[in-house]
Amino acid sequence: TQLLEQSPQFLSIQEGENLTVYCNSSSVFSSLQWYRQEPGEGPVLLVTVVTGGEVKKLKRLTFQFGDARKDSSLHITAAQPGDTGLYLCAGEGYNNDMRFGAGTRLTVKP
Amino acid sequence: NAGVTQTPKFQVLKTGQSMTLQCAQDMNHEYMSWYRQDPGMGLRLIHYSVGAGITDQGEVPNGYNVSRSTTEDFPLRLLSAAPSQTSVYFCASRRQGTQYFGPGTRLTVL
Repeated sequence: TQLLEQSPQFLSIQEGENLTVYCNSSSVFSSLQWYRQEPGEGPVLLVTVVTGGEVKKLKRLTFQFGDARKDSSLHITAAQPGDTGLYLCAGEGYNNDMRFGAGTRLTVKP
Repeated sequence: NAGVTQTPKFQVLKTGQSMTLQCAQDMNHEYMSWYRQDPGMGLRLIHYSVGAGITDQGEVPNGYNVSRSTTEDFPLRLLSAAPSQTSVYFCASRRQGTQYFGPGTRLTVL
């Protein structure tokens, strides 16, 4: 059983559509991170959210940390083929360890 | 500035063999960690270190050993390889919430 549950597991959309990916847990985290991973490479950090209710924007990507610091969402506006990849959320515990969700594999078709 | 480097990139072992996966970082980060990534399971933390001389177990530590004699290096040792350890292994270093991953080592145990 994953400590962090990501949904959906797979998502295939057309260019220009909007989408939201969810990351849920019953545990409280000191911070939560979102990564994107390309095939054959390591994950690359997109954003870190620390404060409950925090919203961060990175161009067409909007990240939100839940008020209780147990969940988060990633919203992409007007998706482009370059957004294709594996999106991972990771929660940092208060003892410095970090747990990852299983990931959402996004495909954006031209 | 090379970031996080890992060697080898690919490795094939026979059951029972031992080997060491190398990881080095040149960013003077105190926190380093090892993960394994398996299909459908995201990244799982094996061991981590908050500084030279300090290591701790993560989520899946059995069958692996680590040591941290310097800030730069954090090798992962497989004592007696098993087919269940076939996976992609990622090393990462972190400072103030920003985590950087290496390119990974793809290990196959026959």
